[in-house]
Amino acid sequence: NAGVTQTPKFQVLKTGQSMTLQCAQDMNHEYMSWYRQDPGMGLRLIHYSVGAGITDQGEVPNGYNVSRSTTEDFPLRLLSAAPSQTSVYFCASSRTGEGNTIYFGEGSWLTVV
Amino acid sequence: DQQVKQNSPSLSVQEGRISILNCDYTNSMFDYFLWYKKYPAEGPTFLISISSIKDKNEDGRFTVFLNKSAKHLSLHIVPSQPGDSAVYFCAAGTYKYIFGTGTRLKVLA
Repeated sequence: NAGVTQTPKFQVLKTGQSMTLQCAQDMNHEYMSWYRQDPGMGLRLIHYSVGAGITDQGEVPNGYNVSRSTTEDFPLRLLSAAPSQTSVYFCASSRTGEGNTIYFGEGSWLTVV
Repeated sequence: DQQVKQNSPSLSVQEGRISILNCDYTNSMFDYFLWYKKYPAEGPTFLISISSIKDKNEDGRFTVFLNKSAKHLSLHIVPSQPGDSAVYFCAAGTYKYIFGTGTRLKVLA
């Protein structure tokens, strides 16, 4: 019963380094998205995808890249890490229809020093 | 401009009483409205949803009410239990969801 799987769970980066947060879902959902959670800010949408090969920006896309080469995978790339990107990152997937639900991964804690 | 707002950052309720969490939105094109519960160090977990064509949805102790004219939704938890203590987020959208900033609910035993 995997659902949405994120890796790594914890990561410390130095300013200027790049890295990729991995996300995979096994529910054949068309839609996938990345959120970050910061104190007092709730969950903010970074990027989302409505299907393989299609991505778009969310509320806070700067400093992040995404791609969707398969239905299952939606990696988030930090191009040049900054302390402002210290956050908890959540990947999510969903499908349309009645009773629409977003399924979240367990989160990735990222610290940029 | 915040499209989804939860104006109460925290709420305390006695065990057994009703908890009412509120959420306001600005975009009348949202198709679905969702409520999530989040414990520390865990991902958000789905509670209940409502589509824009309905005004009420119920699931056990949880009921969501949607007032489209006021662009307002609320989550009612009856009766409240200590295990309900968590941060609650509302979200609105279709496949691209915008979340509110959350309300921390504390249920007092």
